[in-house]
Amino acid sequence: DTGVSQDPRHKITKRGQNVTFRCDPISEHNRLYWYRQTLGQGPEFLTYFQNEAQLEKSRLLSDRFSAERPKGSFSTLEIQRTEQGDSAMYLCASSLAYSANYGYTFGSGTRLTVV
Amino acid sequence: KQEVTQIPAALSVPEGENLVLNCSFTDSAIYNLQWFRQDPGKGLTSLLLIQSSQREQTSGRLNASLDKSSGRSTLYIAASQPGDSATYLCAVRNNNNDMRFGAGTRLTVKP
Repeated sequence: DTGVSQDPRHKITKRGQNVTFRCDPISEHNRLYWYRQTLGQGPEFLTYFQNEAQLEKSRLLSDRFSAERPKGSFSTLEIQRTEQGDSAMYLCASSLAYSANYGYTFGSGTRLTVV
Repeated sequence: KQEVTQIPAALSVPEGENLVLNCSFTDSAIYNLQWFRQDPGKGLTSLLLIQSSQREQTSGRLNASLDKSSGRSTLYIAASQPGDSATYLCAVRNNNNDMRFGAGTRLTVKP
């Protein structure tokens, strides 16, 4: 297992277009998280899944955002009708639930630029 | 709602100095606390994880302490090197839910 993988690494899109990002977690991890990070700030929580169930969504996740984890393995994050304010690094992490001695493992992120 | 604060926001030191980064959190009912390193434009690399029942963890030149009752954690870096230059993020996990991050401390170690 090579860790958490995110694809693509970079995405430049025109305002109003839809984009989709993919995250492949560590295979034995049942939890998957999405975070967004803007320049100079720490990551902000967007949503998380336990297996295929989406258990929590932040108020940052507007109606234009949707995330899925259909088979409890990889996840996708889609942004519809992108806006310039969506430009950020989108980070995915995975972990084991109910394991205090096990932390989060993050991917390298997808940097989105909306022009 | 858990709030995490990191002080200082930026720190510049000469090579070889020992340094301390601070993290404070408002809700002491934590599950664990994790320190990460982030290089510019990159993802997060985990450095140390402290469970709520632990007081400290060590890895090489890094030592992280946790005082849950006062809502504080420190990351101690011994004998700093230019390669330590990065942003250091503190993150707190509450009761098996999601992790909340501070804004980070941007460290520069000058040769």
